[in-house]
Amino acid sequence: TQLLEQSPQFLSIQEGENLTVYCNSSSVFSSLQWYRQEPGEGPVLLVTVVTGGEVKKLKRLTFQFGDARKDSSLHITAAQPGDTGLYLCAGAGYGGATNKLIFGTGTLLAVQP
Amino acid sequence: DVKVTQSSRYLVKRTGEKVFLECVQDMDHENMFWYRQDPGLGLRLIYFSYDVKMKEKGDIPEGYSVSREKKERFSLILESASTNQTSMYLCASKKTGAGGYEQYFGPGTRLTVT
Repeated sequence: TQLLEQSPQFLSIQEGENLTVYCNSSSVFSSLQWYRQEPGEGPVLLVTVVTGGEVKKLKRLTFQFGDARKDSSLHITAAQPGDTGLYLCAGAGYGGATNKLIFGTGTLLAVQP
Repeated sequence: DVKVTQSSRYLVKRTGEKVFLECVQDMDHENMFWYRQDPGLGLRLIYFSYDVKMKEKGDIPEGYSVSREKKERFSLILESASTNQTSMYLCASKKTGAGGYEQYFGPGTRLTVT
């Protein structure tokens, strides 16, 4: 069974601080996605990275896919209270397994004003 | 605007009851998924369907069954609910094909089995 470990599991920071969330696996993925989930809602897609070494930026969020396609990171610059939520990474396999995603264990972020 | 809806946001059932969770998507997606979400465990796949009447087991199918009679609707059935099935249940849909990587989620059903 493929596993995706996220770290840290919990993070509580002050507004304006920077942070990085890590997503690691021993498996290789064809693509990797990051989702954010707010309380009482389902996860919403933030970004998909497809190429090893790829870096994507979404305003203050920077996402990187590892060269070996086994890991990813999410960096938030100058965090704001609106960034509070559960961050989930999810990897897709190859061939017929691309329809299924393996989800990480999640990182719960709280940004205090 | 894409939409996945789930029949209930909160549900309380007794041990041994048969429970139906309904999910409907309006995006004409071929693939639909049922997950359960528990703290520290992320989302775990229960079942998914890649076409009408087609289904495949996910990582934790025991105690669950599914039905997909129409493309837009995917039902999760707990044949005899147990307390260890207390959880948040999330439905998702996804289009097949190049660029169809994104899964769209419903708001979830928080099920409590007493």
